[in-house]
Amino acid sequence: DQQVKQNSPSLSVQEGRISILNCDYTNSMFDYFLWYKKYPAEGPTFLISISSIKDKNEDGRFTVFLNKSAKHLSLHIVPSQPGDSAVYFCAASANTGNQFYFGTGTSLTVIP
Amino acid sequence: EAQVTQNPRYLITVTGKKLTVTCSQNMNHEYMSWYRQDPGLGLRQIYYSMNVEVTDKGDVPEGYKVSRKEKRNFPLILESPSPNQTSLYFCASSLQGANTEAFFGQGTRLTVV
Repeated sequence: DQQVKQNSPSLSVQEGRISILNCDYTNSMFDYFLWYKKYPAEGPTFLISISSIKDKNEDGRFTVFLNKSAKHLSLHIVPSQPGDSAVYFCAASANTGNQFYFGTGTSLTVIP
Repeated sequence: EAQVTQNPRYLITVTGKKLTVTCSQNMNHEYMSWYRQDPGLGLRQIYYSMNVEVTDKGDVPEGYKVSRKEKRNFPLILESPSPNQTSLYFCASSLQGANTEAFFGQGTRLTVV
């Protein structure tokens, strides 16, 4: 059963606007969350992470929000740029475990 | 340059012919893992290793073997590949377990006919 879910397979956004990518999880033991970006023919690259002791983490144009009660996190990209077009994976892990669990990915297209 | 290197990048093989995909990292990371990526299923963990000589099953270990004899290397072995193992495979490493970010290799596209 998928413990990390990304319900939107794709998203299109105009350049300069905000992109919001969503992720839901089911395991309440998860306490560390990450976002990865993947270009075609390349491996995923780490983008940003957040620990469950926080509800927001910001790095330049990228902000991740965590809502523990809703078991939901989101990635905001502001402003969106054409180079942001990629597949974004959400991932989670539990401090008590040794595995990463990934979502199915959201393909973001930023239209110039 | 810090990196995770997988070889080969592309491989076409026949059912039942044993193969090994190599993975090497130069960051002295303790944790290494293998994933497969399939359409609609995202990245699923096959095996992981917390350190030398310590390996554990992930979510989809059937049909795969791994070994961790040295810290830097973590090969994935398919003893008798089958067509349902046709997939895109990624090796990854992280400094310490699943609470630090992982660095991924470029992937190996495997086709089993």
